[in-house]
Amino acid sequence: AQSVTQLDSQVPVFEEAPVELRCNYSSSVSVYLFWYVQYPNQGLQLLLKYLSGSTLVKGINGFEAEFNKSQTSFHLRKPSVHISDTAEYFCAVRRSRGGSNYKLTFGKGTLLTVNP
Amino acid sequence: ETGVTQSPTHLIKTRGQQVTLRCSSQSGHNTVSWYQQALGQGPQFIFQYYREEENGRGNFPPRFSGLQFPNYSSELNVNALELDDSALYLCASSLALQGASNIQYFGAGTRLSVL
Repeated sequence: AQSVTQLDSQVPVFEEAPVELRCNYSSSVSVYLFWYVQYPNQGLQLLLKYLSGSTLVKGINGFEAEFNKSQTSFHLRKPSVHISDTAEYFCAVRRSRGGSNYKLTFGKGTLLTVNP
Repeated sequence: ETGVTQSPTHLIKTRGQQVTLRCSSQSGHNTVSWYQQALGQGPQFIFQYYREEENGRGNFPPRFSGLQFPNYSSELNVNALELDDSALYLCASSLALQGASNIQYFGAGTRLSVL
């Protein structure tokens, strides 16, 4: 089975500051990794994904994440945040093949609050 | 916007009642997954449908059931509602192909309140 730990439940930052949202995962098999964003009263929007290849992946809205297999981490970063980035961010993992590779396992989320 | 639509957006039921939630997949997608997101939590996998059959199930009781139709739209049915069923229910569609990444795209969800 896979599990995801998002190390910070809330991250407050000031506008134009850099931010890092931390995610660690556990799995005995190879996985795909995802970050989704949820704005208030909305569904989940895919920010970025790691499937294979380069460990640094870029997503929408200026976000990027780095896959670190040895540390089983997939931290999300943005060099300069905007007020509009205020949202809940979810890290998710899925088996890349075989078994229950149909389901996403999510962390509990990190609430990013960008203050003026 | 993903093209996955869910209805209704909000629903209020009383304990013991039954509810049906609906999901229309993104064009070209053949697989639908359902997730339950309780307040302050991440989404939890309920089940997935592929080719009109249940393809996998999470840790939810049998009173949670589903259907997938030939046009790949889907329903989630919950019988004998309990207070703890109050949550945001999310539908995600994907294209299941051998060797493909099968990325799931989510709808906006249905907010269910059980009183």
